[in-house]
Formats: sequence, C-alpha cells, structure tokens
Amino acid sequence: ETGVTQTPRHLVMGMTNKKSLKCEQHLGHNAMYWYKQSAKKPLELMFVYNFKEQTENNSVPSRFSPECPNSSHLFLHLHTLQPEDSALYLCASSQVLPSEGYNEQFFGPGTRLTVL
Amino acid sequence: GQQLNQSPQSMFIQEGEDVSMNCTSSSIFNTWLWYKQDPGEGPVLLIALYKAGELTSNGRLTAQFGITRKDSFLNISASIPSDVGIYFCAGPPERGNTPLVFGKGTRLSVIA
Repeated sequence: ETGVTQTPRHLVMGMTNKKSLKCEQHLGHNAMYWYKQSAKKPLELMFVYNFKEQTENNSVPSRFSPECPNSSHLFLHLHTLQPEDSALYLCASSQVLPSEGYNEQFFGPGTRLTVL
Repeated sequence: GQQLNQSPQSMFIQEGEDVSMNCTSSSIFNTWLWYKQDPGEGPVLLIALYKAGELTSNGRLTAQFGITRKDSFLNISASIPSDVGIYFCAGPPERGNTPLVFGKGTRLSVIA
C-alpha cells in the first residue's frame, strides 16, 4: 500500500449505530487530519493530530470521536449521528517540520458516509 | 480566521480551450498549493509553489506564486474531458504554526 488509505470507502448507517472510519498513511508523516466535505461545500477541518497529540478540534460535535494510536493510523469513531452528518470524510497526512510548520497534505480517497 | 478566495466558483468550457483560475488572500502566504479533486475521490496535489514570483508547470498545468504573496494563479492549456473536477488552492498562513487553509474551490466542467 502506498500513500494514504481509508476504509471503508462507503458506509451507510442508522442514527443509533456505532461505526468507525479508519485511515492509514504510508508516507512516514507525523501529522494526520480529518476533514468533512458536504455536497457543494468547502472542506471543513475537523481534527488535527501532530505527533499523535490532538492539536485542533474545530468545534466538532462529541458524536465524532477521533483516535490516533500512532503516527500512521487515525480513526474516527461515530455514534448517534444525524442525517446532516452525511458527507465525504477525508483523511490527510503531512510532515510538520519545527522550522517550517505545516507543509503540503496528502489526502486519502475518502469515506462516503450516509446516515439514514 | 484567514480565508482564501477562489474565482471563478465554477466554469464551463469547450474541450481544447485554455482555463485560468485564481486564488487571493488578505494576508501573506509562504506557500501556495493547488489540488484537484475528481468526483468521489480525495484531492490530489498538482503543484506546489514556494517562492514569490515562482512559475511552475506540470504538463498542461502552470501555476504562479504572486509577487505580493497574496495571490496565485492556475492555468490549464488545451483542456480535455478528464480535467473535470474541483480545483482547490491552499496554503499555510505565514503567522503561527497552523494547518493549511483551503479555498472553496473552482468547479470545472469540460464540454466535449
């Protein structure tokens, strides 16, 4: 596997279900991100993990719970979601350098989530 | 927060035409990145620009880092149907150690 992979690619769940999205990066990066992309809307940054520490949480509802067990893996745990949470969820990774800050991000293919 | 303004929001062009889109900011950026997103996929990095005035090409794509460091342009020459998608500009704001800021995208449609 190369680059950034995400599973599953498609997910349909009910509002009472609990599911998890998985992301894995094979680029040796030290930062990982979750984005939400709704239809015809801009990318919304949800969470940032830098060296496995969460550094950003952009007012995301608690029904979304991220987990970063190591620098290569990132999860997004979902529970009691709402239909408006239906969107494309994108994972990305990048190399953050102390002297340069954040650099270009590389994205996974996304998980298309539908909440019924 | 800092924002990137992309224009146009969408465009319809004939196959073979050249395309030009731009991205502007009210604040200085040290790096400009251009991504393309195909339908149902994640964005893919096309071109990265690191110096004011820099002009970089990737096949039929050419991007420029504006001299003021507050804008960037992406041109596509001789468009083909597979150029269809959403083009995003992005960059890390100069101040602070913060993640990339993304524009809202330019949606390109190519009519064969």
